[in-house]
Amino acid sequence: DAGVIQSPRHEVTEMGQEVTLRCKPISGHDYLFWYRQTMMRGLELLIYFNNNVPIDDSGMPEDRFSAKMPNASFSTLKIQPSEPRDSAVYFCASSHGSEVFYNSPLHFGNGTRLTVT
Amino acid sequence: AQSVTQLGSHVSVSEGALVLLRCNYSSSVPPYLFWYVQYPNQGLQLLLKYTSAATLVKGINGFEAEFKKSETSFHLTKPSAHMSDAAEYFCAVSKGGGSYIPTFGRGTSLIVHP
Repeated sequence: DAGVIQSPRHEVTEMGQEVTLRCKPISGHDYLFWYRQTMMRGLELLIYFNNNVPIDDSGMPEDRFSAKMPNASFSTLKIQPSEPRDSAVYFCASSHGSEVFYNSPLHFGNGTRLTVT
Repeated sequence: AQSVTQLGSHVSVSEGALVLLRCNYSSSVPPYLFWYVQYPNQGLQLLLKYTSAATLVKGINGFEAEFKKSETSFHLTKPSAHMSDAAEYFCAVSKGGGSYIPTFGRGTSLIVHP
């Protein structure tokens, strides 16, 4: 099991540019989550999907952020246009549905560290 | 609404000393509780989880946590700290049964001195 795979590990971009973060969940997992981690706000849930369908995007900070999951093995988080305050570590996590309502842990990727200058 | 409070953003111990990381939860129904660990430049990993089967839960790397309903607490302990335990630790709570999505605490950074 390769775990949750995120790319790139680091991204440095200039303000106003489009940024796309990618995630491959663990095979067989049907829940996928996007989190943002900052010193100021801690770990924030941005959006989560179940069976490729967005269920709750109330954590997405504004319209500049969008997320898609075109199939069970791939998801993207896009920021357009990016701003310096978007600088953070973005984590993708996945989980298996049959455990979800009991004791399911989340399986996290190693994150993408985004720096917007 | 459910929430967790982790007391102390930083905890510093000497190698070999007892580790105690505090977590208090708020939940309207019996909760599911988790501790995760985050090593530098990595994602969070599950340390242990409580699901009502037993109040004392043993996890990986010698860590354990005790669920105390009367105190609404789920503190994490380890008898003897190792240098390799230095990391960020997160407590999380979920209600389960349809309200699965966990709520994470702000995290506690464990510093281990030689």
